[in-house]
Amino acid sequence: QQQVKQSPQSLIVQKGGISIINCAYENTAFDYFPWYQQFPGKGPALLIAIRPDVSEKKEGRFTISFNKSAKQFSLHIMDSQPGDSATYFCAAQTHSSASKIIFGSGTRLSIRP
Amino acid sequence: DAGVTQSPTHLIKTRGQQVTLRCSPKSGHDTVSWYQQALGQGPQFIFQYYEEEERQRGNFPDRFSGHQFPNYSSELNVNALLLGDSALYLCASSQQGAMTGELFFGEGSRLTVL
Repeated sequence: QQQVKQSPQSLIVQKGGISIINCAYENTAFDYFPWYQQFPGKGPALLIAIRPDVSEKKEGRFTISFNKSAKQFSLHIMDSQPGDSATYFCAAQTHSSASKIIFGSGTRLSIRP
Repeated sequence: DAGVTQSPTHLIKTRGQQVTLRCSPKSGHDTVSWYQQALGQGPQFIFQYYEEEERQRGNFPDRFSGHQFPNYSSELNVNALLLGDSALYLCASSQQGAMTGELFFGEGSRLTVL
């Protein structure tokens, strides 16, 4: 009930292409779905987040699509750049346990110039 | 404005030893959480401290313990180290009651157990 499943494990995209990472969750009590970006040697940093009352959120080149009935959500990175190369984690939280983030297993994204 | 700071950045211990990791939260934050990130995996929640008390705990044995000080800084202690405790230990801070749910992570302490 606590698991967040993420795919793919790794992804290679050409510069300018669209990167897509998918996640699925089980616990319907989750009410906040962040995506974290982690560069080597650094801690994760919040990239973008969504609440389940909306189906899409866009911030610049980054978009979250959310399907509440399917319990799935995805991150789309438009016009992918070499600087986007990092590991991306989808995650889920409940309002009552805001510090307890359940992370997916991560996607290592490489953008080829 | 300093972010979350952790020390030490790297350390090597042997099985059976004990280790203490330290964390100073981001200015204005009063809640500290600790996460363990094994190589190639997502971070896993260990516990959360607020008002100097452990408020929530993940699925970690009692060998993992912590403390929060009046200045909101925190320590993570691990006793009787096992090889499987080798990981990046991340500290995250937040403000209790904040609406965004965002945690700010430090760069971590990489522990190697030999």
